[in-house]
Amino acid sequence: ETGVTQTPRHLVMGMTNKKSLKCEQHLGHNAMYWYKQSAKKPLELMFVYNFKEQTENNSVPSRFSPECPNSSHLFLHLHTLQPEDSALYLCASSYSPGTSGYEQYFGPGTRLTVT
Amino acid sequence: DQQVKQNSPSLSVQEGRISILNCDYTNSMFDYFLWYKKYPAEGPTFLISISSIKDKNEDGRFTVFLNKSAKHLSLHIVPSQPGDSAVYFCAASGRGFGNEKLTFGTGTRLTIIP
Repeated sequence: ETGVTQTPRHLVMGMTNKKSLKCEQHLGHNAMYWYKQSAKKPLELMFVYNFKEQTENNSVPSRFSPECPNSSHLFLHLHTLQPEDSALYLCASSYSPGTSGYEQYFGPGTRLTVT
Repeated sequence: DQQVKQNSPSLSVQEGRISILNCDYTNSMFDYFLWYKKYPAEGPTFLISISSIKDKNEDGRFTVFLNKSAKHLSLHIVPSQPGDSAVYFCAASGRGFGNEKLTFGTGTRLTIIP
């Protein structure tokens, strides 16, 4: 596997379910990100992890819970979601912010539908 | 308030001609700018970037121009090819730890007409 991978690619869940999204990067990066893309809106940054430490939580509701066990893996745990949480969830990685080559590389995303 | 704006939601260009995608920003602390390309069912792909110390950066058919006084940047694709049909996102960030967050525009859908 190369680049940034995300599983599952599609997920349908009820409002009472608990599910997790997984992201893995094979680029040797130190920072990982979760974004949300809703229709007709800019990509919204949700969380940033740098060397496994959360450095940004962009006022995300607690029904979204991130986990970063190491610099290569990132999870987003979901529980009691609302229909308006339906969106494309994108994971990205980069070298540590502030260093050269800051460009973020994205995974293919998980299309989430909450029923 | 949107700090990065792409005012054209869509653009159609004849194959072989030049495509010009525009982006405006409001935050004067931004000093690094990127363009991403996104195909359906895929994540955004990094295309080209420019630092605020430059006014032009070129990579093959892609050139990004930065006008700091106008807080405007543009992406030129020449010649345009059918494979360039995608949604293009402009993004901006500051430098240094704590300022690295990327702020994205809403995207411009480019369609290349054969």
